Amino acid sequence: KNEVEQSPQNLTAQEGEFITINCSYSVGISALHWLQQHPGGGIVSLFMLSSGKKKHGRLIATINIQEKHSSLHITASHPRDSAVYICAVSLEWGSNYKLTFGKGTLLTVNP
Amino acid sequence: DGGITQSPKYLFRKEGQNVTLSCEQNLNHDAMYWYRQDPGQGLRLIYYSQIVNDFQKGDIAEGYSVSREKKESFPLTVTSAQKNPTAFYLCASSIAQQETQYFGPGTRLLVL
Repeated sequence: KNEVEQSPQNLTAQEGEFITINCSYSVGISALHWLQQHPGGGIVSLFMLSSGKKKHGRLIATINIQEKHSSLHITASHPRDSAVYICAVSLEWGSNYKLTFGKGTLLTVNP
Repeated sequence: DGGITQSPKYLFRKEGQNVTLSCEQNLNHDAMYWYRQDPGQGLRLIYYSQIVNDFQKGDIAEGYSVSREKKESFPLTVTSAQKNPTAFYLCASSIAQQETQYFGPGTRLLVL
């Protein structure tokens, strides 16, 4: 069983719509990351959070530690937001930490 | 301009051949990572290094080797022992473990 589950797998929206992508995890974590992967393959880190909520421009990330759940919201979506959005959790691994990644959510925003 | 570079963008490997993927960063980061991405799967950790001259195996290290002789460089060798090497390989770095990771553009490895 994958420790990080994302939903939906695929999401198609019209420009201007409010987008929500969900991430659930099954174990205790030290932090959760949201990443964006563009069609060319490059990955950009959007947020790292361990509690509450963070906002950057039109992007908002929230996390509920008790429910082991995080959401990524995009307000006023635009075609340039089309990408794969990846949730990753930071887990203790021996005396170190490592990221465990979800499979990603493919978002397509149509004009 | 600070960042991470990977080369080449595309790499072709013949059967039985070792190939080396380059990863360089000028962000002065101590930690560096190699991930493999396959279609329909999340990224998986191959190797990571917290500091120069030290590295640890990740979840799928078999058939791969790394070195960390310089802080800015963390090359990955895909050996002939890796029976299914076709994948997209991503290098990343961070100031320290637990911090935000910065990713390179990736290298796509194909087997001829």
